[in-house]
Amino acid sequence: GQNIDQPTEMTATEGAIVQINCTYQTSGFNGLFWYQQHAGEAPTFLSYNVLDGLEEKGRFSSFLSRSKGYSYLLLKELQMKDSASYLCAVSDSNYQLIWGAGTKLIIKP
Amino acid sequence: DTAVSQTPKYLVTQMGNDKSIKCEQNLGHDTMYWYKQDSKKFLKIMFSYNNKELIINETVPNRFSPKSPDKAHLNLHINSLELGDSAVYFCASSQESSASGASEQFFGPGTRLTVL
Repeated sequence: GQNIDQPTEMTATEGAIVQINCTYQTSGFNGLFWYQQHAGEAPTFLSYNVLDGLEEKGRFSSFLSRSKGYSYLLLKELQMKDSASYLCAVSDSNYQLIWGAGTKLIIKP
Repeated sequence: DTAVSQTPKYLVTQMGNDKSIKCEQNLGHDTMYWYKQDSKKFLKIMFSYNNKELIINETVPNRFSPKSPDKAHLNLHINSLELGDSAVYFCASSQESSASGASEQFFGPGTRLTVL
């Protein structure tokens, strides 16, 4: 079967760094997405990785290792507005997105 | 200019009723989707549709049916609503994926459906 695993909840401190991990087992792989979803709002796109390595975009970076079926989202210089759920999703061999259950990130002052 | 729009934003109705949720995208995308997000926040694909193919998640009851009058619209019709249908429903769209990789999905604001 197809499976995406990520922690249910994480807590971090304002100004710190946090890493949210995602492991996956899917039938085929056409890239991995990270989305951010604030409470009561729609998911919004953060990053896309299809090749191994680190993609940096401002305070957010995303890493992919296809051989390990592993990705992480790294958030630096955390701000209160980063409190949200972070969803990992993998595009399978049919380009269908398989979604993880999301990681709720709580930022404390 | 909203890229993906849905109406209504909130929908409260009685069990057994039939209701529709409308979705429109002005991005010129080829593919549209309907998702259900329940109270546990798990995002579940219900349908994906382009002008070539409708892909239905086989776990979706046949009380749910997508209707696409044209490429920019994908409406969701629900018959005989049940208590368990209460959730947030998101519409999304994307360009058709290609050999160069998958395409980002753009989400509508969601419709919060409450069945009483």
